[in-house]
Amino acid sequence: TQLLEQSPQFLSIQEGENLTVYCNSSSVFSSLQWYRQEPGEGPVLLVTVVTGGEVKKLKRLTFQFGDARKDSSLHITAAQPGDTGLYLCAGARADKLIFGTGTRLQVFP
Amino acid sequence: DAGITQSPRHKVTETGTPVTLRCHQTENHRYMYWYRQDPGHGLRLIHYSYGVKDTDKGEVSDGYSVSRSKTEDFLLTLESATSSQTSVYFCAIKRGLAQANTGELFFGEGSRLTVL
Repeated sequence: TQLLEQSPQFLSIQEGENLTVYCNSSSVFSSLQWYRQEPGEGPVLLVTVVTGGEVKKLKRLTFQFGDARKDSSLHITAAQPGDTGLYLCAGARADKLIFGTGTRLQVFP
Repeated sequence: DAGITQSPRHKVTETGTPVTLRCHQTENHRYMYWYRQDPGHGLRLIHYSYGVKDTDKGEVSDGYSVSRSKTEDFLLTLESATSSQTSVYFCAIKRGLAQANTGELFFGEGSRLTVL
């Protein structure tokens, strides 16, 4: 059983649609990060959220950290084909970064 | 470019043989990590290091050992490879803030291992 569960596991949508990806845990994390990974490459950091209830926006992407610091969400507005990739949440615990199960997003033109 | 390289990038081996993957960094970071990536599991932490000769286990450490004899190199060894260890292995370094738990991980390009 993994500590961080993401949903949905797969998402296929048309360009222009909105979507939300969820990252849930029963454990508390000191901070939470979201990464994006493209085929054949390592994940790349998108954002770090630290405070419970924190909301960060990165252009069309909105990230939220739950009040209890156990969960997070990523919302994409007006998705574009360039958003296609694997999205991974990751929770920090001491020296370790524990990754979620991943959400694979495909955006069709 | 995060100054992190993995070798080999691809390897096919047979069950029961030893395998060593190397991670090399050029930036003198203290923290280094080994993850494996499998469909439906995201990335799972195998081992990590917080300094020369200082290592600790992650979520899926059974069947793996690591060594860090110098800052720039972190080696992952499979003493006797099994088919369940077929995976893509990623090394990462932690850069960033003074607080260890908010630093950013930079990843290598991955090493694809197939155990027949």
